[in-house]
Amino acid sequence: DAMVIQNPRYQVTQFGKPVTLSCSQTLNHNVMYWYQQKSSQAPKLLFHYYDKDFNNEADTPDNFQSRRPNTSFCFLDIRSPGLGDAAMYLCATSLTEETQYFGPGTRLLVL
Amino acid sequence: GENVEQHPSTLSVQEGDSAVIKCTYSDSASNYFPWYKQELGKRPQLIIDIRSNVGEKKDQRIAVTLNKTAKHFSLHITETQPEDSAVYFCAATPGLGNEKLTFGTGTRLTIIP
Repeated sequence: DAMVIQNPRYQVTQFGKPVTLSCSQTLNHNVMYWYQQKSSQAPKLLFHYYDKDFNNEADTPDNFQSRRPNTSFCFLDIRSPGLGDAAMYLCATSLTEETQYFGPGTRLLVL
Repeated sequence: GENVEQHPSTLSVQEGDSAVIKCTYSDSASNYFPWYKQELGKRPQLIIDIRSNVGEKKDQRIAVTLNKTAKHFSLHITETQPEDSAVYFCAATPGLGNEKLTFGTGTRLTIIP
C-alpha cells in the first residue's frame, strides 16, 4: 500500500540525454515536491506545486523542469543531464502546511 | 529566509545510552518542526514532529523539546538500539501557507553494540 511511488527506482542515462522521472501519490495531497539529495547531504528543494501553482527555487538550474498533469502525478524532466546531476531524486507530498511524506527516490547515474 | 543549524554532524553512542541532537533556527515565525530518519539508500521517514504551541512531545523512546524563546529544538533518543543507526535531519517551516521545509545539515548517528 505504497502512498508515494517513484519510477524508476534506478535510472542510468548518458551525458546530455534527456531523462524523465515520475512520481505518483494515492494520498490526494495538494502539494508535491521534488528534491535532489547527494551523498548524505540534506535534501535540496528543486521546486514544488501547490495545487497547480508551480514554485521554482531561485537556484534550481534551468536544466530541470517539472510537470504536474493532475493531482496524483508529477514529473521531473532533466533536459541535458551532466555528471553533477547524478544524485537521488526524492518526491514528497503534503497537505499544505502538514507533514511531508517522501517517496523511495530515484537514483540517477549519468555516464 | 529560514536557516537551520544542526549539531553534531556525527555522533557515536554506546548501545543502551541516550543520544541528543540539537537544532537552532533563525525565523521566529517558524511553527512546525519535524525530525526525519534516513537509513542508507532509503527515503527520509518522519519519526516525530512538534508544533510551536507545545514544549515537548514523546513517542516511546523518542522525544523532542522546543524552546521558542531561544529558537532551538532537540531530539532525544533513549535506550538506543543498533537499528537507531541512521542519518537524522531536523527541519523547520513557518507554516501559515508556507509549505516549504528548511532542513538542517544532518547528524550521522552510530550505535556501538
